[in-house]
Amino acid sequence: SQTIHQWPATLVQPVGSPLSLECTVEGTSNPNLYWYRQAAGRGLQLLFYSVGIGQISSEVPQNLSASRPQDRQFILSSKKLLLSDSGFYLCAWIKKSTGGETQYFGPGTRLLVL
Amino acid sequence: SQQGEEDPQALSIQEGENATMNCSYKTSINNLQWYRQNSGRGLVHLILIRSNEREKHSGRLRVTLDTSKKSSSLLITASRAADTASYFCATAPGNEKLTFGTGTRLTIIP
Repeated sequence: SQTIHQWPATLVQPVGSPLSLECTVEGTSNPNLYWYRQAAGRGLQLLFYSVGIGQISSEVPQNLSASRPQDRQFILSSKKLLLSDSGFYLCAWIKKSTGGETQYFGPGTRLLVL
Repeated sequence: SQQGEEDPQALSIQEGENATMNCSYKTSINNLQWYRQNSGRGLVHLILIRSNEREKHSGRLRVTLDTSKKSSSLLITASRAADTASYFCATAPGNEKLTFGTGTRLTIIP
């Protein structure tokens, strides 16, 4: 069966520090991968998605970046964190099936920038 | 901007009652999906309804889709305390991305 991992689970970082969040998927190959951010009590904002190794699409301008160095690894990074980067970061992958695009989510990383 | 908008934003009902949440969207879709999120956790897929379907059932869940009104509803029958969560609709205009609404926070009172 497929599983998706995210780490760390919680992170407290000072403003201006770098960031690296990792997401890995097991039990599947060539998935579409997604990074979302969720502000407290709000919906999900799609940040990046990737359809393959080295292929990254950015949805919103920001100081974050994403990379996909391996088929089942998706990394979210920042060189200098802002206060506004605080939030709940969710990674997801798509299981492709005829007529549908169900997304499977990881447990999330809660980031607090102080 | 958000494609899907859920209504109401928050809903509290007694255990055993039915809960209905609505979702409106703006553009044409291939399918619409509903997800549940327990506090501080990732989202869990509940049900998917395709654009050529009008109603779908899964256990205590019933989803309707009205493409002429660009709206969907999620009905949870015989609610339980464990149903307390936030519920999101998500639309798929294409095959690669989902756009999520802002969610309905459902509280089931024991």
